[in-house]
Parts: sequence; C-alpha cells; structure tokens
Amino acid sequence: EDQVTQSPEALRLQEGESSSLNCSYTVSGLRGLFWYRQDPGKGPEFLFTLYSAGEEKEKERLKATLTKKESFLHITAPKPEDSATYLCAVQASSNDYKLSFGAGTTVTVRA
Amino acid sequence: KAGVTQTPRYLIKTRGQQVTLSCSPISGHRSVSWYQQTPGQGLQFLFEYFSETQRNKGNFPGRFSGRQFSNSRSEMNVSTLELGDSALYLCASSPGGADPSHTQYFGPGTRLTVL
Repeated sequence: EDQVTQSPEALRLQEGESSSLNCSYTVSGLRGLFWYRQDPGKGPEFLFTLYSAGEEKEKERLKATLTKKESFLHITAPKPEDSATYLCAVQASSNDYKLSFGAGTTVTVRA
Repeated sequence: KAGVTQTPRYLIKTRGQQVTLSCSPISGHRSVSWYQQTPGQGLQFLFEYFSETQRNKGNFPGRFSGRQFSNSRSEMNVSTLELGDSALYLCASSPGGADPSHTQYFGPGTRLTVL
C-alpha cells in the first residue's frame, strides 16, 4: 500500500527564517507527487506537481524538489501569509485516479 | 474560470439519516474524485468518476456511494449515518482522459456534522 510520511508535524518560523518540509513516500511506481496548501476550514489549494526525480518547481517563496524516495518543500524568507498546512500526496501508477495524502505539516510564521 | 463548487457547505444530520452532497467540477473537467478529511485519519480517497463511470474506489463501507451525471456533476450519498462520518467531504476535479496524471483541483468542501 502507498505510504506518505510528512515531517515535521508542525513548524514555527520567524518571518524571514527559511526552512524545509519533508515528504517521504513508498509507492509502487510513482506517477506524480503533488503539493497542496490548506487553510483552516478550506479545501486544499494546488501548488506543484512533480513527475520525476531531479525535477524542481518554484512559485514565489516556495520551491519543491523530488528524489526517488522523498520530496522537499523549501520556504524562503516566509511571511505570515505563508502560514497554513502543507499537504503532500502521491499518485501511483498501480492505482490511477487516486491520491494518497500525508498527514501534513502545519507552518506558523510569526511577524 | 470558476473553480470547483460544492453544496451545501455545512450540514447537520442525526445518526441513522442519509445525506447527499453535490459537486460541480471546473468547466471542461470530466473526472471527479471525492475525499473524506478528519483530524484523525487525514485525507482519504472515497471514489473517482469519469464519464459517469466509477473507475476507482477507496476502502469505505457500502454506505458511501456516488454517481456522476452526463454534465460531469457528481453527487455522493451516505446512508445510515454514524457519528464517525462527521468530517469535511472534499470534491476534486481534473481534466481526466487517457493520461491519469492530471492535477486534481479541490472545492471548498462540505462540513458534515452527525449528532
């Protein structure tokens, strides 16, 4: 069965203090790895899709990278509005059309 | 382009009742997936529909069912509600088609509370 583990569970940062979130996965053939951001009481908001090891994508202060066993979401010089829960999900080639999610990392950025 | 819409946004039911939730995908998207989100279990896959056909199903009891209409809108139904069914139910849409590795875009969810 596909497994996704995110660490840490929670992260408290000072504004401007860069950090990284980890997503390690076990899947029988990775078709895609997805990062979402979720604010309290709302649906997940899509951030990135990564398909193969070595791939990197950036959006504003966020950068996602992928290796064969894990993905990192780097937050550079975060601002309070970056506070949210960040979710990682994988799609396996053996189980199409289904995303398996990690438990998420809750990031709090203090001004 | 309008995003995924879900109705109702909030729902309160009592044990034993049944409930129907609705989802309208992004225009042009033909695949609709449903997920249950709870504090203890996180986001769990319920089922996925494409062209009115269920292509994949998660590990949920038969009380959870769904369907998709010809306009790609989808409904999910939960019969004989239990307290443990209280959750945020999320719908996600993607273009679908031959290549399944399409990004799924989520709606705001329906918050179901079972008393």
